[in-house]
Amino acid sequence: EVQLVESGGDLVKPGGSLRLSCAASGFIFRDAWMNWVRQAPGKGLEWVGHIKSKTDGGTTDYAAPVKGRFTISRDDSKNTVFLQMNSLHIEDTAVYYCSTVDRGFCSGGSCYSWFAHWGQGTLVAVSS
Amino acid sequence: DIQMTQSPSSLSASVGDRVTITCRASQTISDYLNWYQQKPGKAPNLLIFAASSLRRGVPSRFSGSGSGTDFTLTINSLQPEDFATYFCQQSYSTPRTFGQGTKVEIK
Repeated sequence: EVQLVESGGDLVKPGGSLRLSCAASGFIFRDAWMNWVRQAPGKGLEWVGHIKSKTDGGTTDYAAPVKGRFTISRDDSKNTVFLQMNSLHIEDTAVYYCSTVDRGFCSGGSCYSWFAHWGQGTLVAVSS
Repeated sequence: DIQMTQSPSSLSASVGDRVTITCRASQTISDYLNWYQQKPGKAPNLLIFAASSLRRGVPSRFSGSGSGTDFTLTINSLQPEDFATYFCQQSYSTPRTFGQGTKVEIK
């Protein structure tokens, strides 16, 4: 059974930093692309970014609001993905979910992908 | 970035009703479209991927259709456990983007 468990959420002041972790089990982690998605209180879902498997280059992509402030990394020896968040803004307040990025057929430069497995989320509150 | 727009934002329905939610992309995304269900305080749950493929274990009353820019999620014979918020999401390009959600409430 796939399990994803996030941790590290906390109350932090604007301008502060926080590191979230997502511990994975139940699948071959080193082959997986992993994702972070956030949800501000009472709002919709917002994609934060993803990290590819090392086999696929290990590269990252980010949403514009977090690019340059957030960094996704992975430790395949510990089956864990991280989200380092720096220069936090009040608007970064949200529940942060990690998820798997499941991929299917690729055609013309685009690959079918979907987020099949999610953690329970961890709350990050940015406030003075 | 590709903008995803869902309609309606909310709807009221009764158990046994047929419910249709639409999702429109700001540019063509072929069938690179997924649907999720989210209940309060819980993580989203994948229902449908690639516009019309039902995830294993999801009840067959859920179905998806569409291609290009216009997509539909249909719930046939709404059940009590289906009252939730539904989101579409495109996987055609990065950044991945979600619709704003459709809340299905009990009439």
